[in-house]
Amino acid sequence: GAVVSQHPSRVICKSGTSVKIECRSLDFQATTMFWYRQFPKKSLMLMATSNEGSKATYEQGVEKDKFLINHASLTLSTLTVTSAHPEDSSFYICSAPSGRSPNEQFFGPGTRLTVL
Amino acid sequence: GENVEQHPSTLSVQEGDSAVIKCTYSDSASNYFPWYKQELGKGPQLIIDIRSNVGEKKDQRIAVTLNKTAKHFSLHITETQPEDSAVYFCAASLQGAQKLVFGQGTRLTINP
Repeated sequence: GAVVSQHPSRVICKSGTSVKIECRSLDFQATTMFWYRQFPKKSLMLMATSNEGSKATYEQGVEKDKFLINHASLTLSTLTVTSAHPEDSSFYICSAPSGRSPNEQFFGPGTRLTVL
Repeated sequence: GENVEQHPSTLSVQEGDSAVIKCTYSDSASNYFPWYKQELGKGPQLIIDIRSNVGEKKDQRIAVTLNKTAKHFSLHITETQPEDSAVYFCAASLQGAQKLVFGQGTRLTINP
C-alpha cells in the first residue's frame, strides 16, 4: 500500500537554528503533499499545501517565511523551520494523496521537534 | 469553511464491549469522511472512510455510518480489544479539494 515516510523522526535543536524535515512518498508519486502541526493532546492543524513545481499554499495565520516549504520532486517535500524558537516545538506530520481513490490520504509517522 | 465537531473527547469501555464516536460537519458540500487512528508518537493511520453516496460501510469490527441530512457520521467498533486503545480522529473534505478538516479527537481506552 501507499507509504509516506518522514525524516528525522525526532530532532532537538537550539533556539535560532533552522531545522529541515523531509516527507517522502515511497511507492507512489504525489504532486501535492500536506503539512500539519499537532500540539500535545490536540488535533491536527493544517499548515500548508505543498505543490510540486510551484509555491506552497499556506493556511491563514501560518508564517510562510518561518515555515519554508519546498516540493523538490514528485516524491519529496521538505519543511524548514527557520530560526526556531521553543514555541515551535511540536509534532509535525505530512500527508499525501494516495492516488488510489479521490481524497484518500496517507500520513507520515511524524517528526517530534524540540527547540531548547 | 468546514467545521467538524467530535464527541466524546474521551471514552472508556470494557474489553469486548462496543465503542461509538460521533462527528458532525457544517458544510453540506463535504462528501468524503475518513477516520484515523493515532497511537502515541505516531502519525494517523486511516482505518475506514465513507463517501456521501453511501450510508454505511463495514470492515470486520469497524463500521462507519453517515447521515447526510443531519450532517453527522459515526464510527462503531465492536468486540473491542486492548489494542484498540488510541486516539481516533474523524475528518471531512470536499470532493477534489483534498484538504481535510479534522475533529478534535477521541481518546479511547479499552479496559481489560
